[in-house]
Amino acid sequence: NAGVTQTPKFQVLKTGQSMTLQCAQDMNHNSMYWYRQDPGMGLRLIYYSASEGTTDKGEVPNGYNVSRLNKREFSLRLESAAPSQTSVYFCASRQQMNTEAFFGQGTRLTVV
Amino acid sequence: TQLLEQSPQFLSIQEGENLTVYCNSSSVFSSLQWYRQEPGEGPVLLVTVVTGGEVKKLKRLTFQFGDARKDSSLHITAAQPGDTGLYLCAGANTDKLIFGTGTRLQVFP
Repeated sequence: NAGVTQTPKFQVLKTGQSMTLQCAQDMNHNSMYWYRQDPGMGLRLIYYSASEGTTDKGEVPNGYNVSRLNKREFSLRLESAAPSQTSVYFCASRQQMNTEAFFGQGTRLTVV
Repeated sequence: TQLLEQSPQFLSIQEGENLTVYCNSSSVFSSLQWYRQEPGEGPVLLVTVVTGGEVKKLKRLTFQFGDARKDSSLHITAAQPGDTGLYLCAGANTDKLIFGTGTRLQVFP
């Protein structure tokens, strides 16, 4: 069982560069999420998608865009990376409200 | 904006001690979950509580959802080194899932 797969696992960007973080789940879940986690902190919600074709802002959406490409895939794009976006990014999915959220292994992003 | 505050932020205890972690908000949630995260991994679900006043037990862990569904607590009895990790509460209304600020627990042998 692959579960939630994120790519890449590590990335170093220069300030101003753009990149897309990919996330795919094979559990046929409806909802997908993108979080960032700074050292020693909890997770902050960037964007989420309750179902295919819908996306909504979370707590910290500025500087990010998302695409729910289909039911399986939910990508996160940084158009112009900034050092403040250095963080570990987690993608998660779950079937519906009140059910377990399953997480990917995370992408460690450093912006220099 | 929903905000889930956890306390304490850090907890360092000896094996065998008891501890309680608190998760508080000014918002009402339809459900509250607790996750544990190991270094380099994503969080893993421990429990989901959905009814105000609900108490759930998972071996040495006891979870409670406040009557008003704005707060929750996690109590660990006789902590063990294997309990070491980052504990996160998460509240949900509709499909939005918000995580707390986290409590890092270290249990020494």
